[in-house]
Amino acid sequence: RKEVEQDPGPFNVPEGATVAFNCTYSNSASQSFFWYRQDCRKEPKLLMSVYSSGNEDGRFTAQLNRASQYISLLIRDSKLSDSATYLCVVIPMNTGFQKLVFGTGTRLLVSP
Amino acid sequence: DTEVTQTPKHLVMGMTNKKSLKCEQHMGHRAMYWYKQKAKKPPELMFVYSYEKLSINESVPSRFSPECPNSSLLNLHLHALQPEDSALYLCASSQDVVGIRLYEQYFGPGTRLTVT
Repeated sequence: RKEVEQDPGPFNVPEGATVAFNCTYSNSASQSFFWYRQDCRKEPKLLMSVYSSGNEDGRFTAQLNRASQYISLLIRDSKLSDSATYLCVVIPMNTGFQKLVFGTGTRLLVSP
Repeated sequence: DTEVTQTPKHLVMGMTNKKSLKCEQHMGHRAMYWYKQKAKKPPELMFVYSYEKLSINESVPSRFSPECPNSSLLNLHLHALQPEDSALYLCASSQDVVGIRLYEQYFGPGTRLTVT
């Protein structure tokens, strides 16, 4: 089983739609979680960190479910500019250096 | 300002060439990273520098040689690469390697490398 798993998509949605992505992780001791966004042929950019209580940033809401070991990202009122690959990132809490473990990404296509 | 810069943007090199990739950040971050990313795959960690010392080498072949001249600069020296090394090479930095909220990594735009 992969450490971090995501549905690769693509998710095709119209503008204005609400879309949700899930990501599951295998290491129950993981403590830090992030969503990154990567546009085609560009670098990953930190979208948001995911906190235990869940957090919201404008149209984006991230949730963490430790019992089921998944995190989610909800995008409301999708814009054309939201089209990108969304990477789920987990940091397993091993001793020593904490290394980012990336999921394979979920591709989102928002159409007019 | 969260900015990591990388040069060059694109690089084409032959298998016998020696070249270097450069990365710079001025955010006062003490951890810097090199990643390799192939098309439609997530970034793969190569090296980590923490406080200018190499702390992680993810079993990267010796034809890749990292260097951290100071806390703001990170180089990746390339020699005798293979065509399969063609990829996007990303540099990233974070405030530190330990401590909650210090893990947030900021990526540079990458160098697209083609080995012929």
